[in-house]
Amino acid sequence: AQTVTQSQPEMSVQEAETVTLSCTYDTSENNYYLFWYKQPPSRQMILVIRQEAYKQQNATENRFSVNFQKAAKSFSLKISDSQLGDTAMYFCASRTSGTYKYIFGTGTRLKVLA
Amino acid sequence: DVKVTQSSRYLVKRTGEKVFLECVQDMDHENMFWYRQDPGLGLRLIYFSYDVKMKEKGDIPEGYSVSREKKERFSLILESASTNQTSMYLCASSFAGNYGYTFGSGTRLTVV
Repeated sequence: AQTVTQSQPEMSVQEAETVTLSCTYDTSENNYYLFWYKQPPSRQMILVIRQEAYKQQNATENRFSVNFQKAAKSFSLKISDSQLGDTAMYFCASRTSGTYKYIFGTGTRLKVLA
Repeated sequence: DVKVTQSSRYLVKRTGEKVFLECVQDMDHENMFWYRQDPGLGLRLIYFSYDVKMKEKGDIPEGYSVSREKKERFSLILESASTNQTSMYLCASSFAGNYGYTFGSGTRLTVV
């Protein structure tokens, strides 16, 4: 069965610094997609970044980038120049191609300190 | 701006009541989902629907049912609410493809 593991329940970072959130996953499939979602204290979950497993190039969205290590089944999120608005719960998720279901990790609560 | 709207932000119900949680999306998405979110457990899939009147069980369907009579609306039903169903409930929708979900704001349900 697919699993997604986030081993850091809580993290903090100083404003303007860089932080990396870890995520590992386990799948026997070749075609799958990986996601990072952000849930701010207001609760609405939003998609931060997405990675297709067949693409070797790491996805980037402004200050957010991923380090995708397919052989190691690792999918970490790097946030550069952290801002107070980045304070949120972050969830890593995976989805196998051809299926509807996403598998979510347990989340990492990130606090950006002024 | 595209939206997934959940009818209630907070809800308090009594044990044994029948509870309806409503979710409406305006993006013409084929797929709709209900998750519950609990601390330390992440998000767990209750039910999902890939078309009108179609539904499939997720990982924790016991005690829940769903209804999708129209493409834009997906309802979660707690047949007889129990205290262990106290949780945050999140609705999401997506196109049938590789895209990520669009989530609603969530309903925090307390069963007393």
